Amino acid sequence: EAGVAQSPRYKIIEKRQSVAFWCNPISGHATLYWYQQILGQGPKLLIQFQNNGVVDDSQLPKDRFSAERLKGVDSTLKIQPAKLEDSAVYLCASSSLPNYEQYFGPGTRLTVT
Amino acid sequence: RKEVEQDPGPFNVPEGATVAFNCTYSNSASQSFFWYRQDCRKEPKLLMSVYSSGNEDGRFTAQLNRASQYISLLIRDSKLSDSATYLCVVNEAGTALIFGKGTTLSVSS
Repeated sequence: EAGVAQSPRYKIIEKRQSVAFWCNPISGHATLYWYQQILGQGPKLLIQFQNNGVVDDSQLPKDRFSAERLKGVDSTLKIQPAKLEDSAVYLCASSSLPNYEQYFGPGTRLTVT
Repeated sequence: RKEVEQDPGPFNVPEGATVAFNCTYSNSASQSFFWYRQDCRKEPKLLMSVYSSGNEDGRFTAQLNRASQYISLLIRDSKLSDSATYLCVVNEAGTALIFGKGTTLSVSS
């Protein structure tokens, strides 16, 4: 069974630029999550989708971050404009049921200079 | 704010040692508890769920104390391959998982 796919694996941008990350969850998983993991900390949930609907985006900085899952399968997370403090690993995860065992993708390591 | 607290370590132990990690959580309504393992520069992976009665998986034992809002993970006969960061994870029904900052374990020969 294929795991959660993410791209790109690494991205370096300058502050105020825009960036987008892509995630394809495990086939059949209705729940998709985007996490931000800053070095030395645990993952922090940014947004949770159930199919193509948003379940929880309470910790998403909506002035600069946006995410969509239009067809209820793959998802994109965008940052516009990026700030230095956005440097982190962005992890996508999926699960068959909400908040059940989550499978993580390899992550995208973002560096903002 | 709902919190999950862990001792960050690092815990440096020799092969064969027994090591225990602790985790406390602030939300008494929490219902599900997990330990995830994260290797350096890798994604987190589920190590084990934590059940009220305690559970064991080989060399790993997880325990839950609801009254004290406390979770533990015991690793017996540590192996070099156990070196990783161990994340305590908690959630309340219908809400998102909350991850602790993790405890780093380094097993040396």
